[in-house]
Amino acid sequence: GQQLNQSPQSMFIQEGEDVSMNCTSSSIFNTWLWYKQDPGEGPVLLIALYKAGELTSNGRLTAQFGITRKDSFLNISASIPSDVGIYFCAGGTEETSGSRLTFGEGTQLTVNP
Amino acid sequence: DGGITQSPKYLFRKEGQNVTLSCEQNLNHDAMYWYRQDPGQGLRLIYYSQIVNDFQKGDIAEGYSVSREKKESFPLTVTSAQKNPTAFYLCASSMLGSWLSEQYFGPGTRLTVT
Repeated sequence: GQQLNQSPQSMFIQEGEDVSMNCTSSSIFNTWLWYKQDPGEGPVLLIALYKAGELTSNGRLTAQFGITRKDSFLNISASIPSDVGIYFCAGGTEETSGSRLTFGEGTQLTVNP
Repeated sequence: DGGITQSPKYLFRKEGQNVTLSCEQNLNHDAMYWYRQDPGQGLRLIYYSQIVNDFQKGDIAEGYSVSREKKESFPLTVTSAQKNPTAFYLCASSMLGSWLSEQYFGPGTRLTVT
C-alpha cells in the first residue's frame, strides 16, 4: 500500500521557537491533511490542503501542499507549551477521497517552557 | 453539539472473549472508519463504511468485524481471533465526495486484554 514518510520522529524545542515538520511519499496525493493528537485523545484536524502549491494558515500554523503532490510540510511559529503532542500528516487520493487516507507515523513535539 | 462519541473510554477483557466497541456520530456523515493505534505508531485502518449496510476491509481487518445498520452507528467487534488486541481504537467519520477527505475523530477507546 501507499506509505508516508514523516520526519522528524520527535522534536524537543524551547518555548518561542519555530517548528517545521514534513511528509513525503513516492505516490501522488490529491489531498493533504494535518492532525494533532493529545495523549489519550483522538486526533484533531488542524489544516486541510486541496491544491498543489497551496499554502494555508491557521493561527500560528502554516502548511503547504507540495507542487509535486508528493509532499507537504507544517510549520508552527512561536511555539507554546500547549503545542505539545503528536502531529500526523495524512494523504488522500482522488480514487479514495472521502473513503481512505494514508497516515504518517507522527512527529512527537515537546516544548520546554 | 455535533460530534463523534466512543464508549467506553477504557475497556478491559480476558483473553478469548469477544468485545464490542461503540461509535456514534451526529454529524450526518455518510462514511465511518475504525483505526487501530499502537504506541509510537501511526493509524492503521481496520474497516470502513461509506453507506448503510455496506463496509470494506482496511489494511488490518483480520480478527475484527463491523456492522452498519444505521447511518449514525458503526460498532467494532474485536474477536478472540485477533492475536494482539490490546491497543487504542479510534473511530472517525467524513462526508463523501472527491474533495471532502476530512475525517473527524472520536476520543478513542483503550482496550486492554489480559
